[in-house]
Amino acid sequence: KNEVEQSPQNLTAQEGEFITINCSYSVGISALHWLQQHPGGGIVSLFMLSSGKKKHGRLIATINIQEKHSSLHITASHPRDSAVYICAVRLNTGNQFYFGTGTSLTVIP
Amino acid sequence: DVKVTQSSRYLVKRTGEKVFLECVQDMDHENMFWYRQDPGLGLRLIYFSYDVKMKEKGDIPEGYSVSREKKERFSLILESASTNQTSMYLCASSFRGRWGELFFGEGSRLTVL
Repeated sequence: KNEVEQSPQNLTAQEGEFITINCSYSVGISALHWLQQHPGGGIVSLFMLSSGKKKHGRLIATINIQEKHSSLHITASHPRDSAVYICAVRLNTGNQFYFGTGTSLTVIP
Repeated sequence: DVKVTQSSRYLVKRTGEKVFLECVQDMDHENMFWYRQDPGLGLRLIYFSYDVKMKEKGDIPEGYSVSREKKERFSLILESASTNQTSMYLCASSFRGRWGELFFGEGSRLTVL
């Protein structure tokens, strides 16, 4: 059983499309993180959120604590957005994090 | 900028060799983590440390040990490397508080022949 589930696993989009990646979790959390990993690269943090919505450029992240669900949206997608997007949750009981298996996004010009 | 630096990006070792992977962070973070990343399995926690000389086993500690003699440095040791330890290894760090953001190193891709 995975505490964090992401969908879809793989996603191909045309440049300019609106993209949504979903994350559901089953544990009590203090915060949810969206991470980005480019091929061969390290992982960078995009958002950390515990309620509501955050926006950074073309990226928007939302969380619904009651439903234990979060979404990452990319508006006007671009080929440089091609990466693996990972949802991670920090448990509210300690220092540990749980991770989804990632969504591999490819944006075609 | 926060930096988490891993000592080697790519390593090739032979079965039975001892392997050291080092990680250094410059943000005075209390927590440091070693993860393993494999296709389809996501990130799995090997060990984490919440203070100097303190360590706790993660989900897959077998075949690994760790050392944290200084706050900024967290080492992962494979005493006798095996082919099933071929993987990407990622170090991360964070502050201890609930809102501590997680910062990752670039990763070390280990191949065991």
